[in-house]
Parts: sequence; structure tokens; C-alpha cells
Amino acid sequence: GIQVEQSPPDLILQEGANSTLRCNFSDSVNNLQWFHQNPWGQLINLFYIPSGTKQNGRLSATTVATERYSLLYISSSQTTDSGVYFCAVSYNQGGKLIFGQGTELSVKP
Amino acid sequence: DTAVSQTPKYLVTQMGNDKSIKCEQNLGHDTMYWYKQDSKKFLKIMFSYNNKELIINETVPNRFSPKSPDKAHLNLHINSLELGDSAVYFCASSQVENYGYTFGSGTRLTVV
Repeated sequence: GIQVEQSPPDLILQEGANSTLRCNFSDSVNNLQWFHQNPWGQLINLFYIPSGTKQNGRLSATTVATERYSLLYISSSQTTDSGVYFCAVSYNQGGKLIFGQGTELSVKP
Repeated sequence: DTAVSQTPKYLVTQMGNDKSIKCEQNLGHDTMYWYKQDSKKFLKIMFSYNNKELIINETVPNRFSPKSPDKAHLNLHINSLELGDSAVYFCASSQVENYGYTFGSGTRLTVV
């Protein structure tokens, strides 16, 4: 099955800093999503991005499907960005998403 | 209006009991899912239903039985609960199988 690897596993930032989170996957995908799990446990869909680039406010994501990776950019980080960021992928598997192990981000004031 | 709602939010129960978790979505999505998040935060799919039909059953013990009375509801019943069933269970939905998910807020199950 498809393997998903995220890096770094942990990241500590000062408020206002920028960061890049990476997701590598081992096979072709036609579904890639980024999620943020906040400190209260809620999972929020950030991007559905099987290819290309999208932006939403301070967040943007780029997926290069041919090279099997995706990047999530967080600019001008805020304390509310803290939590775990998950990348998840699938390929024609009835919507079944394979999740990476996550990047735990802590933004300090 | 909550898009995907799960109840209860917390569930503490003794080993051997039977419990149910309910999930409802008001997004008009065709596909619904159950995921389990373990203590290391790893998320893994358990079941998927498309318009009330089971399409994924991911080698889950048969003590776990999903039921979908209509495409807006997907409930999870667990028999003979074991300590290892302690986890957070998330319901989710999507418009079609290959599109963005919306997750519920999760149910933290603790078996004592």
C-alpha cells in the first residue's frame, strides 16, 4: 500500500515565523488532503490538493504529483496555528485516506 | 449548524459492555467514514459507506458493526468492549469518494 511520510515530526516556532511542512508519498495518488488537528482535537480540512498550488490566507500548499510530494507553507505563524498537521492520500480506494504520522507544531508567543 | 456531528463526545465504560456512537451529516454528502485515532495520534480508516452501502471494511474486529440507516447517518456499535478499544473515533463525510473530507469532532472512548 501507499506509504506517507511527513517531516519534520516536531517543530517549534516563534510567533511571526514562517515554516514549511513536507509530505512524501510512495505511489501515485489522486486524492491528497492536508488537515490541522487543533489542541482540542478537532480535525479541520485545510486543502484538497492532489496537484498544483492553492492558497488560503496565510496558508498555501503545493503538490508535485509526478515527484510524489506535497508542501504546506505557513506564513506569519500565530499561536492558534499550534497543533498537529496531517497529510493524507489515496488512489482509487473508495475514498480511503492513508494518513501520515503528522507534524506537531508549537507556536510560542 | 454543525456539518458532521457525533454523539457522545466522551464515553467511559467498563470492559465487556456494548456501546454505540452516532454520526449525522447535514452536508448532503454521499460517502461517510469511521476513523480511529490511537494514543500516538495515528489515524486509520475503519469503515466507509457510500449512499448506505458498505464499501470499505478495513479488517476491523467483528465486534465493531457500522450501520447506515440513510446516507446522512452512520452509526458505530461496539460489542464486548476491550481495553484496546480505547481511542478517539472520528466520523467523516465527503461529497464523492475522491474529494475533501469534513470530520466530526470525535468521540473519546475510554474502556476501564
